[in-house]
Amino acid sequence: QVQLVESGGGVVQPGRSLRLSCAASGFSFRSYDMHWVRQAPGKGLEWVAVISYDGSNKYYADSVKGRFTISRDNSKNTLYLQMNSLRVEDTAVYYCAKPDLSCSGGSCYGPDYWGQGTLVTVSS
Amino acid sequence: QSVLTQPPSASGTPGQRVTISCSGSSSNIGSNYVYWYQQLPGTAPKLLIYRNNQRPSGVPDRFSGSRSGTSASLAISGLRSEDEADYYCAAGDDSLSGVVFGGGTKLTVL
Repeated sequence: QVQLVESGGGVVQPGRSLRLSCAASGFSFRSYDMHWVRQAPGKGLEWVAVISYDGSNKYYADSVKGRFTISRDNSKNTLYLQMNSLRVEDTAVYYCAKPDLSCSGGSCYGPDYWGQGTLVTVSS
Repeated sequence: QSVLTQPPSASGTPGQRVTISCSGSSSNIGSNYVYWYQQLPGTAPKLLIYRNNQRPSGVPDRFSGSRSGTSASLAISGLRSEDEADYYCAAGDDSLSGVVFGGGTKLTVL
């Protein structure tokens, strides 16, 4: 069965950095694009970034562009999110998510499996 | 401000049928599959409907989805108390090569 386990969340001061990890199992990780999605406390879901199955293409939400970097290590079945210059408004539960289908021709597809999430709190 | 528009709340009594709408544009719902998720408090979202109207195994057939043009809807028939949750729609968006979500609809079973 598909399992996605995030780690690396915590409390960090504004302007600092944090790296999240997501360990994947139960499916052919190297065959799928992967997403990060976040949810601020009491708010809705916000897509953050996507990386292609081979790591060659990466796309970001405008709110994190230039500050966050998505990456993956297919030899370790692990997805990463490097978060720099963190802001108070980045406070959220961060989920890694496997899509139903990998992006094709610029079109992406919604997640079918989600991790349990890891909480990132940005506060002074 | 979410890219997809959902009503913030919906309600119904046990046994009733309720629908939740999701409105988008030609770059998302109009040209990509729609997905629906159920989120119970303190838990990760769970896939309810994929590719507009397909149900994953284990999801009751009380849940159904449809898409028309740039809008979509989720219907829940035979409403039960355990259906009380937040519901989100999502779709790929060609303008940002990513996924967009609705703001979520809180369903209350009266």
